[in-house]
Amino acid sequence: EVQVVESGGGLVQPGGSLRLSCAASGFTFSSYWMSWVRQAPGKGLEWVANIKQDGSQSYYVDSVKGRFTISRDNAKNSLYLQMNSLRAEDTGVYYCGMGGSHPLHWGQGSLVTVS
Amino acid sequence: EIVLTQSPGTLSLSPGERVTLSCRASQSVTSDNLAWYQHKPGQAPRLLIYGASTRATGIPDRFSGSGSGTDFTLTISRLEPEDFAVYYCEQYVTAPPTFGGGTKVEIK
Repeated sequence: EVQVVESGGGLVQPGGSLRLSCAASGFTFSSYWMSWVRQAPGKGLEWVANIKQDGSQSYYVDSVKGRFTISRDNAKNSLYLQMNSLRAEDTGVYYCGMGGSHPLHWGQGSLVTVS
Repeated sequence: EIVLTQSPGTLSLSPGERVTLSCRASQSVTSDNLAWYQHKPGQAPRLLIYGASTRATGIPDRFSGSGSGTDFTLTISRLEPEDFAVYYCEQYVTAPPTFGGGTKVEIK
């Protein structure tokens, strides 16, 4: 069974940093692009970043460029999102997705609160 | 940047009704690189349709997608109680992809 499980969310002050993790199982992690998507309170889904199988390419939404870094460790079947210089508008639930364009499997999300 | 506009914002319907959701793109979504998701509060998003019209694994055939270019449609032939949710379209022509604002389908 395919599973992706996010962790690492929490409460952080503006300007602070947080690192989200996504543990993957049930599929060959190194064969898939992976993605992060978020949802602010009361808002819709917003794509944050995605990363190629070998980590050689990654793309970010303009609002997080220079502040967030997506990375992966294929040996550990794990995806990461390093979030620096956090702002109130980064508050929301962050979802990890298996796939780079239209992920088939998603986690339950990890809540990040910047306040 | 390709902007996706979904309409209407909210639909109030009864179980058994037919639903048609619209997604309009600001420029052509080439190669039908468009997907539809269902999202319920507290749950993971669920991929319904990709390639504009291909149902994802395990998705019931009451869900269908159509359209090309700048106009796309998600149709639910007969609403089931579990279908009340928010629906998003997503284009993946550009990197990273972008979502529409969503259409909420609520119980009338």
